[in-house]
Amino acid sequence: DAKTTQPTSMDCAEGRAANLPCNHSTISGNEYVYWYRQIHSQGPQYIIHGLKNNETNEMASLIITEDRKSSTLILPHATLRDTAVYYCIVRVAGTGRRALTFGSGTRLQVQP
Amino acid sequence: DSGVTQTPKHLITATGQRVTLRCSPRSGDLSVYWYQQSLDQGLQFLIQYYNGEERAKGNILERFSAQQFPDLHSELNLSSLELGDSALYFCASSVAEERSDTEAFFGQGTRLTVV
Repeated sequence: DAKTTQPTSMDCAEGRAANLPCNHSTISGNEYVYWYRQIHSQGPQYIIHGLKNNETNEMASLIITEDRKSSTLILPHATLRDTAVYYCIVRVAGTGRRALTFGSGTRLQVQP
Repeated sequence: DSGVTQTPKHLITATGQRVTLRCSPRSGDLSVYWYQQSLDQGLQFLIQYYNGEERAKGNILERFSAQQFPDLHSELNLSSLELGDSALYFCASSVAEERSDTEAFFGQGTRLTVV
């Protein structure tokens, strides 16, 4: 699976959009981008995943650049409950049985 | 609620002891994964079971073992415990079809404290 690079930490004002970047410059054509988050000491929570097209669900939007070398997770209206560590994970498609490999992630602090 | 249940939530034990952590996966999920997260450390994959059989091993110590039972629940056994084994232990489950891209669902973890 391709390596990802994320900023160590970010701040965001409550009610504003939180844009979390992820660099995956060595991504292959058959690798998905997944995002999970971990709210303090809780189990990680799936947010969204995508291959090449932008994706949106009730939690967030995922924007993947055309060359697929980077992506951005967007939380449109961040709340204090969104304070968490966000993990960007790249994984080969069709490997649903394999364990996820977590990096260090980005610690997002939503400020009141 | 992810649908994955882990018990107990908290466990305090002495060095040298043995403990068993239990995980009930989501209904229908065949694969169970165990992770360890020490204080200020990342999530480290320990071991995976699929439909009762060991599927993959990560950074699991020889003092640790796991199994998955016919009803698909799993247990992680930690023996000869050391202070450094104090951590959060998470279980995750997924449908884990060979060609799937579905997400994994995590339990709320067991916090183990070794004193």
